[in-house]
Amino acid sequence: AQSVTQLDSHVSVSEGTPVLLRCNYSSSYSPSLFWYVQHPNKGLQLLLKYTSAATLVKGINGFEAEFKKSETSFHLTKPSAHMSDAAEYFCVVSDRDSNYQLIWGAGTKLIIKP
Amino acid sequence: EAGVAQSPRYKIIEKRQSVAFWCNPISGHATLYWYQQILGQGPKLLIQFQNNGVVDDSQLPKDRFSAERLKGVDSTLKIQPAKLEDSAVYLCASRNLYRDNEQFFGPGTRLTVL
Repeated sequence: AQSVTQLDSHVSVSEGTPVLLRCNYSSSYSPSLFWYVQHPNKGLQLLLKYTSAATLVKGINGFEAEFKKSETSFHLTKPSAHMSDAAEYFCVVSDRDSNYQLIWGAGTKLIIKP
Repeated sequence: EAGVAQSPRYKIIEKRQSVAFWCNPISGHATLYWYQQILGQGPKLLIQFQNNGVVDDSQLPKDRFSAERLKGVDSTLKIQPAKLEDSAVYLCASRNLYRDNEQFFGPGTRLTVL
């Protein structure tokens, strides 16, 4: 069965420093992987997605993620954090076994210190 | 293209009252989802439609929740009677069956049950 583990419930970084949000998944088939962002009192916005093309995926707002099949990981990174990046981030997996339903991680709250 | 539309955006009711939410998916998207997102958690799938048929409603509390998509386009989700624990954001999402697995989310309806 599919599952997603976001390894940190909270991550705190200083503005201008790198961001790393960690995600591990399990999937029986070739998965699609997504990162969604949710700002306070806002809707869910897709940051980036992996669907069996290039393993390094670039998304919006300078975020990127690398699909590593051997490590079953899909970590989200950004070289330099901005105050506007403060939000909740969800890692999500989807595959044929789940009938393409989205399996959500518990979320990581990103806190940016001035 | 226009996004997923939902209404109302906010609703406050007292327990034991009934409430209904409406969703209009992206034109041409055959698959429609309703999620419940409780504060501090990831979205939980309530029901999935394919055109006007139900694909999965295993996590829908059928004693009080109902949903329909009569003409295979827009959908309504109803709660009757509401409980305090139903306070959450109700998200609608749609997906193009013939493209990748990305789901597009509406802005959500924030329900407060007093």
